[in-house]
Amino acid sequence: DAGITQSPRHKVTETGTPVTLRCHQTENHRYMYWYRQDPGHGLRLIHYSYGVKDTDKGEVSDGYSVSRSKTEDFLLTLESATSSQTSVYFCAISPVIDSPLHFGNGTRLTVT
Amino acid sequence: EDKVVQSPLSLVVHEGDTVTLNCSYEVTNFRSLLWYKQEKKAPTFLFMLTSSGIEKKSGRLSSILDKKELFSILNITATQTGDSAVYLCAVVPGSGNTGKLIFGQGTTLQVKP
Repeated sequence: DAGITQSPRHKVTETGTPVTLRCHQTENHRYMYWYRQDPGHGLRLIHYSYGVKDTDKGEVSDGYSVSRSKTEDFLLTLESATSSQTSVYFCAISPVIDSPLHFGNGTRLTVT
Repeated sequence: EDKVVQSPLSLVVHEGDTVTLNCSYEVTNFRSLLWYKQEKKAPTFLFMLTSSGIEKKSGRLSSILDKKELFSILNITATQTGDSAVYLCAVVPGSGNTGKLIFGQGTTLQVKP
């Protein structure tokens, strides 16, 4: 898994509650990404980071925030979860721009 | 808007068949195209193509990119049940220095014994 750990692996939460997903890497890669995967949509980019404290929005960033206080950890927060955020969330890492992304095993989030 | 479209969306074949998966794209300042295989969990990297007309090959899998016609194909020969998976195509736009991927919807391949 290229040294990527996502936690938790599964989570069920209620609408309106805050949720934080964690991505931890041991590869010392500069770039980190959060994607969500939904049927019929493939993988869509939520947020990404190009260094410690350097983050930017992807195509589906509404309702999500991220933080990266150290190289190895990239946190994704849903401030107030909604049912539309039920999805499988993947973290990915890359050492340089032109290198393929390597993905974690995903977090399955269900918002009831 | 950058866009990647894969076809077919799903495919059922028998062991030993050859399959061709298609990926077309419209992106700003194309940089590279990647193929991934996804079984139960994480997508795993197969190929990255940056130059047109060059074939990348690994065992029974091969891929080629046509930058003029804006598409790529992934070929799998002598398919096996272990090839059953979702195959994802993704493109890296050249605008900005982010390395982010834009994915197609994926092609679900089922190989029957």
